[in-house]
Amino acid sequence: QKEVEQNSGPLSVPEGAIASLNCTYSDRGSQSFFWYRQYSGKSPELIMFIYSNGDKEDGRFTAQLNKASQYVSLLIRDSQPSDSATYLCAASGTYKYIFGTGTRLKVLA
Amino acid sequence: EAGVTQFPSHSVIEKGQTVTLRCDPISGHDNLYWYRRVMGKEIKFLLHFVKESKQDESGMPNNRFLAERTGGTYSTLKVQPAELEDSGVYFCASSSSGGLLTEAFFGQGTRLTVV
Repeated sequence: QKEVEQNSGPLSVPEGAIASLNCTYSDRGSQSFFWYRQYSGKSPELIMFIYSNGDKEDGRFTAQLNKASQYVSLLIRDSQPSDSATYLCAASGTYKYIFGTGTRLKVLA
Repeated sequence: EAGVTQFPSHSVIEKGQTVTLRCDPISGHDNLYWYRRVMGKEIKFLLHFVKESKQDESGMPNNRFLAERTGGTYSTLKVQPAELEDSGVYFCASSSSGGLLTEAFFGQGTRLTVV
């Protein structure tokens, strides 16, 4: 099974700051990348996906993909305490996801 | 629209017993997936149904696990007999298609504890 790696954290940022979550993947055949947010005891919910090199913005969230470096990131601007959760990075080359272990984000009020 | 629903939310069973997990996907979603997260590890793929057919069961750990999706609606995942290492959170997900950019919607998971 190919790997997707994330720092488990916790990553602590003050309210209003930019949170930067990073993910690397080993399978160059991966074509699309997904960021899910999971609150404790809840289902993972999709924040956004990206498949082209560069940046993709959606509200306070920006996903970045660099296929040459096999690197994906998620930036959260103006972080809020409600953003505190575990963020899962997933790579897909077909229909199934290869997940990282997730990064726990804490936004401090 | 109802999301993906899983039953039960928690299950504690003894080693050697049988447990059946159920997943109700979003209505109209032909694709159904089972994933599992064991403590401290990443969420891992178990198998994929398209309607009632198993498309990929490469992630199933061994023959103690049996998944079914009769009629192409809800799915069950049976573990028989359960072992200690089967403990973890079992997630079900569904999607309308199986393409690269298809969002999979996840259920809340069933936390299985084998003692």
